[in-house]
Amino acid sequence: GDSVTQMEGPVTLSEEAFLTINCTYTATGYPSLFWYVQYPGEGLQLLLKATKADDKGSNKGFEATYRKETTSFHLEKGSVQVSDSAVYFCALIRDSGYALNFGKGTSLLVTP
Amino acid sequence: EAQVTQNPRYLITVTGKKLTVTCSQNMNHEYMSWYRQDPGLGLRQIYYSMNVEVTDKGDVPEGYKVSRKEKRNFPLILESPSPNQTSLYFCASSSYPGQNYEQYFGPGTRLTVT
Repeated sequence: GDSVTQMEGPVTLSEEAFLTINCTYTATGYPSLFWYVQYPGEGLQLLLKATKADDKGSNKGFEATYRKETTSFHLEKGSVQVSDSAVYFCALIRDSGYALNFGKGTSLLVTP
Repeated sequence: EAQVTQNPRYLITVTGKKLTVTCSQNMNHEYMSWYRQDPGLGLRQIYYSMNVEVTDKGDVPEGYKVSRKEKRNFPLILESPSPNQTSLYFCASSSYPGQNYEQYFGPGTRLTVT
């Protein structure tokens, strides 16, 4: 079935460092892809999404491009802040539209 | 403010004692869903509902029940909780299931079954 694989954490970066969190997917079709963020003690929030190949999702300085040829949706940010410390989940929506398949999450800690 | 609320946020209970976790959304969404989050496993769907009185099993439905009597509410019921149901639970809603519709998540309920 459709699935998402993302890099294991935790990832620790210094403030203003460049961030990449890798995400690859396996799917029979071309599902919409998402990045969700979970701040400590909170629920998941949609960070960005892309609905078709070559789409770039962006929000709050984060970007991810839907790459059909490499089946990837890597999350990037040019300069991370302490406030970006959170768990990041890559996800795709199944053909039925009734469920999201999530990766296992990547914990990011940004130090001053 | 558009939101999904869950209660309680934290719950410690004993094996076999029935419990209900409530979920409510104020966005008039048709679609609602429950997920559980476990370390190393990510989030997995338990049950979902396409509309009032319409529910279906997700990936891990064993040991859970749901009901959808009103559009805004989607309670999760554990008739006889067991320790393997210790987890972090999230309710989610969407205006319509599909590729382009964002799912909104509640703040989570951390359940411990001893």
